[in-house]
Amino acid sequence: GQNIDQPTEMTATEGAIVQINCTYQTSGFNGLFWYQQHAGEAPTFLSYNVLDGLEEKGRFSSFLSRSKGYSYLLLKELQMKDSASYLCAATNQAGTALIFGKGTTLSVSS
Amino acid sequence: GAGVSQTPSNKVTEKGKYVELRCDPISGHTALYWYRQSLGQGPEFLIYFQGTGAADDSGLPNDRFFAVRPEGSVSTLKIQRTERGDSAVYLCASSPHSNTDTQYFGPGTRLTVL
Repeated sequence: GQNIDQPTEMTATEGAIVQINCTYQTSGFNGLFWYQQHAGEAPTFLSYNVLDGLEEKGRFSSFLSRSKGYSYLLLKELQMKDSASYLCAATNQAGTALIFGKGTTLSVSS
Repeated sequence: GAGVSQTPSNKVTEKGKYVELRCDPISGHTALYWYRQSLGQGPEFLIYFQGTGAADDSGLPNDRFFAVRPEGSVSTLKIQRTERGDSAVYLCASSPHSNTDTQYFGPGTRLTVL
């Protein structure tokens, strides 16, 4: 079966670092995606991991362990504008579309 | 236009009516996807087009839902005999070539069935 799990909510303060975890179970695997979605807006692409390890892109980094079915998104130097839902997604068994988690709502306070 | 566009942005209809939702993908993108997102949930896959053909329609919930992409660009999602449970945001995404490419999402159509 296909299953993506991530925490429902997280809170953090400006300037801090936060790690959002995601565990997945998929029959076929073609990579792990992270998207950011502000309230009322479309999801926007953040990162894609297909090999084990850490991918760094500015303030955001994403990590993947295929053997553990585990990924995390690391956000550094948090800003108020980072308050959003963060969606973890993996390809479905047929490899034709993404299976999304329910999203982690991150609230950044001053 | 640089991104995926969807019309209308909002649609309110009555139970039992027919609706059409339109998606205009990024120019040149051959892969197109429809998702549905309910409040507090992640997007849920409905259908995937590669060119003009539906390569995977396994996510369509029942036969009231149908989608077309006759010329391999614009797509229309059609819902017959709408039900209150169909209320959601319908998202369209496109990717350059295949399903392993990054998907770029449109702003969505918020459908409300009264």
